[in-house]
Amino acid sequence: EIVLTQSPGTLSLSPGERATLSCRASQNISSSYLAWYHQKPGQAPRLLIYGASTRAIGIPNRFSGSGSGTDFALTISRLEPEDFAVYYCQQYAGSPPLTFGGGTKVEIK
Amino acid sequence: QVQLQESGPGLVKPSGTLSLTCAVSYGSISSSYWWSWVRQPPGKGLEWIGEIYHSGSTNYNPSLKSRVTISIDKSKNQFSLRLSSVTAADTAVYYCARGRVPVTTWGQGTLVTVSS
Repeated sequence: EIVLTQSPGTLSLSPGERATLSCRASQNISSSYLAWYHQKPGQAPRLLIYGASTRAIGIPNRFSGSGSGTDFALTISRLEPEDFAVYYCQQYAGSPPLTFGGGTKVEIK
Repeated sequence: QVQLQESGPGLVKPSGTLSLTCAVSYGSISSSYWWSWVRQPPGKGLEWIGEIYHSGSTNYNPSLKSRVTISIDKSKNQFSLRLSSVTAADTAVYYCARGRVPVTTWGQGTLVTVSS
């Protein structure tokens, strides 16, 4: 099973600041099968990025994804109030199980 | 735009079987997507349970495989989850979803509590 480790666990930032979230895989994975979501309290997750770097429909361009192999990142260029949430990465390496990272909480400083 | 809606009992007794159904609206369950179940214990992260294709092909999380069955009913445009021998550790919000990586559409989620 491929384990995804997200860091940091919590990121305390102010609106307008830049956020960089890390997702590290225990084995190489294809960029095609790496996605990012955010989740607000009481809501289902929402897709932000797929294929490691492609924004989903309706996602603003302040969100960007990068990386390959075992190291991936999600960057939010300037935090808006609605961006404070928990962020998850997800992978599928061709055989079950599909796995999620443990999450990074982006909170208001 | 496709919509998903989970339904089923919110309370299940220990050692019992959890059964949930996901109704698919504004889209066909026979389209070329995997249909998934994901759960989230209170205050914790996301766990993939398993998936089914319209052909009936399934994949399960090995950690749950012995207790999980996912089935599909194309006539009703829905798919279902059964999880047997439940314990308090199975208490979670259960989401149905469309897609694998990425999951493009999620249901709103339903809380299932395992308690006597």
